[in-house]
Amino acid sequence: QSVLTQPPSVSAAPGQKVTISCSGSSSNIGNNYVSWYQQLPGTAPKLLMYENNKRPSGIPDRFSGSKSGTSATLGITGLQTGDEADYYCGTWDSSLSAGVFGGGTKVTVL
Amino acid sequence: QVQLVDSGGGVVQPGRSLRLSCEASGFTFNSYGMHWVRQAPGKGLEWVAVIWYDGSNKYYADSVKGRFTISRDNSKNTLYLQMNSLRAEDTAVYYCARDRGSSGWYGFTDWGQGTLVTVSS
Repeated sequence: QSVLTQPPSVSAAPGQKVTISCSGSSSNIGNNYVSWYQQLPGTAPKLLMYENNKRPSGIPDRFSGSKSGTSATLGITGLQTGDEADYYCGTWDSSLSAGVFGGGTKVTVL
Repeated sequence: QVQLVDSGGGVVQPGRSLRLSCEASGFTFNSYGMHWVRQAPGKGLEWVAVIWYDGSNKYYADSVKGRFTISRDNSKNTLYLQMNSLRAEDTAVYYCARDRGSSGWYGFTDWGQGTLVTVSS
């Protein structure tokens, strides 16, 4: 079991919106920055969001991030077939003195 | 452009050792924290270890503590992971990743291509 909890899968039709939740605790999400990663099949992960809600250059504004208390959320609007991938949240856990990832969420475009 | 090249993976027997390397280029290596992240076949990402920009601090996942050692040679722009007492459950693709910051966790901007470690008799 991962320290951070994500839904195993979410799905929506092209053009629609999906949100992916990431639930943790005060020792991780509650007091540290959250980042999000997209992993396409057979490739290395790619940074989508850092410091909770900041997009690296080149990431379209269809992707958004937010954090409230001990939970974080990644939103994807205008869903495209190219968005089909696994998505992971991650952060530092101050109690463990270790990094932690969520279990990952598979996004399917119907 | 930024490049991280992972190497050193292979097939190793349980209880043996292996050293992974990550050669960095295209950025000021000695200014950034570096991480190792692994992914077992068909599974999710697992954070393994981090080393601060100057090597002054290192942290490990409980699953590898006491067996793995992260290090860096800033003169060679290279990150290492020494893995001892390997177990079957260490079988995974190992990625090195560059943090946005010099220490801690600020998001991993760049990733190596990964190197596969298989622990099997």
